[in-house]
Amino acid sequence: QIQLVQSATEVKRPGASVKVSCKASGYDFANYAIAWVRQAPGQGLEWMGWIGAYTGNPTYGQKFQGRVTVTRDTSTDTAYMELRRLTFDDTAVYFCARDRIAMTLDYWGQGTLVAVSS
Amino acid sequence: EIVLTQSPATLSLSPGERATLSCRASQSLTSYLNWYQQKPGQIPRLLIYDASKRATGIPGRVSGSGSGTDFTLTISELEPEDFAIYFCQHRGSFGQGTKVEIK
Repeated sequence: QIQLVQSATEVKRPGASVKVSCKASGYDFANYAIAWVRQAPGQGLEWMGWIGAYTGNPTYGQKFQGRVTVTRDTSTDTAYMELRRLTFDDTAVYFCARDRIAMTLDYWGQGTLVAVSS
Repeated sequence: EIVLTQSPATLSLSPGERATLSCRASQSLTSYLNWYQQKPGQIPRLLIYDASKRATGIPGRVSGSGSGTDFTLTISELEPEDFAIYFCQHRGSFGQGTKVEIK
């Protein structure tokens, strides 16, 4: 079955960076894009970025441009999201999700809590 | 950047009633308006893609419609498991969500 398994909870200081991983299984990883979406406590869903299938070219949400990097390793079927210069407002659950087509997200990881605390 | 506005923010209904949720886009969409359901403490679940196509395993009481700038998610007869938050999405934009709560 298709699964996306994300890395564990992270606690970071303001100004630090965090890198979240997302390991895929059950499908041909290279043929599908992966999106990253976050959700702050009690809030809605926020698009962060996306890494395309085939070319692996990333696209980022305007809000995160210059602060986020999305990559993938097709040899291990794993996607990564790195967010830099963390602030308290970055405390959220970060999700990876498979893009079935045109940024339609059909399978989601379990989420990774990133807590920014001093 | 396209802005998606959902209404109402909260819908208070009883089981068995019909739920009608709206999503309005700031400009006309040519494709792929999607709907997701999220329950407390759970991950989002794709319900409807491309405005009207049900995702795998989604029951027939859930339907999507609309085009251009106005889209609707309808749940014909609410079951207990339907009380949740619903988000619309088009590419890199999400609506702010509609909470369907038990009246």
